[in-house]
Amino acid sequence: GAGVSQSPSNKVTEKGKDVELRCDPISGHTALYWYRQSLGQGLEFLIYFQGNSAPDKSGLPSDRFSAERTGGSVSTLTIQRTQQEDSAVYLCASSLRQDNEQFFGPGTRLTVL
Amino acid sequence: AQSVSQHNHHVILSEAASLELGCNYSYGGTVNLFWYVQYPGQHLQLLLKYFSGDPLVKGIKGFEAEFIKSKFSFNLRKPSVQWSDTAEYFCAVSQRGGSYIPTFGRGTSLIVHP
Repeated sequence: GAGVSQSPSNKVTEKGKDVELRCDPISGHTALYWYRQSLGQGLEFLIYFQGNSAPDKSGLPSDRFSAERTGGSVSTLTIQRTQQEDSAVYLCASSLRQDNEQFFGPGTRLTVL
Repeated sequence: AQSVSQHNHHVILSEAASLELGCNYSYGGTVNLFWYVQYPGQHLQLLLKYFSGDPLVKGIKGFEAEFIKSKFSFNLRKPSVQWSDTAEYFCAVSQRGGSYIPTFGRGTSLIVHP
């Protein structure tokens, strides 16, 4: 079946611009996670959605970052007024339930010039 | 806050050598444990997981990991590596009964020379 998909695969933007990153999780997966992966670093947790519960936003690095998940499916991560330090690979993952293994998408490589 | 340590950031081996990658975590409660692998140009994918039961877990491609609760460790092993095992390996831990959000280690880059 289809895995987790993310778009765009690459995004180059200028400092100060807003960007939107999209994630399509596996159908039926109730949990959805966003991570950021910088060169030589592990996965930095950003935000977590579980079913209809309020999202866990504890990992968002600043108020420039926000995310939503519509209809319990597609999620969009928005970064406003991008900065060069936002450059990274943004990964989305979904899982059937909150305590299951995660299935990762291919990521979006964001470059802020 | 929970943390996950992977002691080896870069490992270089020759084919047929044995592999052990260390993973230690800081949380004292009940945990779910994972090893994920990212092959060059591919997605992160699950290698193996431990939730409960036999602390020696076998995964795909001949990998295994042992959960030692007293040492807060979940080390990954393979008796004989292949060139195709060249990849980035990540250990992850989530708290059972808590938020279940996995915390990932920084990863270990494994290069296997043919």
